[in-house]
Amino acid sequence: DQQVKQNSPSLSVQEGRISILNCDYTNSMFDYFLWYKKYPAEGPTFLISISSIKDKNEDGRFTVFLNKSAKHLSLHIVPSQPGDSAVYFCAASTQGGSEKLVFGKGTKLTVNP
Amino acid sequence: GAVVSQHPSWVICKSGTSVKIECRSLDFQATTMFWYRQFPKQSLMLMATSNEGSKATYEQGVEKDKFLINHASLTLSTLTVTSAHPEDSSFYICSASRTSGRRDHEQYFGPGTRLTVT
Repeated sequence: DQQVKQNSPSLSVQEGRISILNCDYTNSMFDYFLWYKKYPAEGPTFLISISSIKDKNEDGRFTVFLNKSAKHLSLHIVPSQPGDSAVYFCAASTQGGSEKLVFGKGTKLTVNP
Repeated sequence: GAVVSQHPSWVICKSGTSVKIECRSLDFQATTMFWYRQFPKQSLMLMATSNEGSKATYEQGVEKDKFLINHASLTLSTLTVTSAHPEDSSFYICSASRTSGRRDHEQYFGPGTRLTVT
């Protein structure tokens, strides 16, 4: 039973446009959510996180939105750049993010020039 | 700061042999290190959590006698795949979280180790 779901395996957008990556979760005990970017044969790189007490967190071009009632979060990248092309993983934790993480399967983002 | 290294980055071994993978936090102390495994086009699956100086906690379905984890210091954890079989071929990634008391809530991931068992 997958507790963190990324239902879109891939997403393609044009450079300069907005990329929206979605993530759903089932465990209501999750209190911290993170987004990671990953290139092939490399470890994930932390992008941005959000605590369950917030509904939005912004860092430069990256914004994460959390809708607790819908158990849904999304990552917005604007404007998208070709260097953003990678696999994006959503992860969730019940212990503040520095403990056990449950990952989604990832969404491969391709930003076309 | 917050760099995690893994060694080796890739390894090929014969079926039945054992392989050791090292995970080091280079510029911070990590009370907790995590070992993940990723199969192609799949998510990262947590295998075990290791705390410095104590036994690792394994996730359900992970054989503790097959995947030996040692966290001997605040900067080093090792994963040994014993009696490796082709189905153990995977991408193994470690992560480390800083010592408690800090305000950030991040795990820092290593670059991963590609294991191929022939």
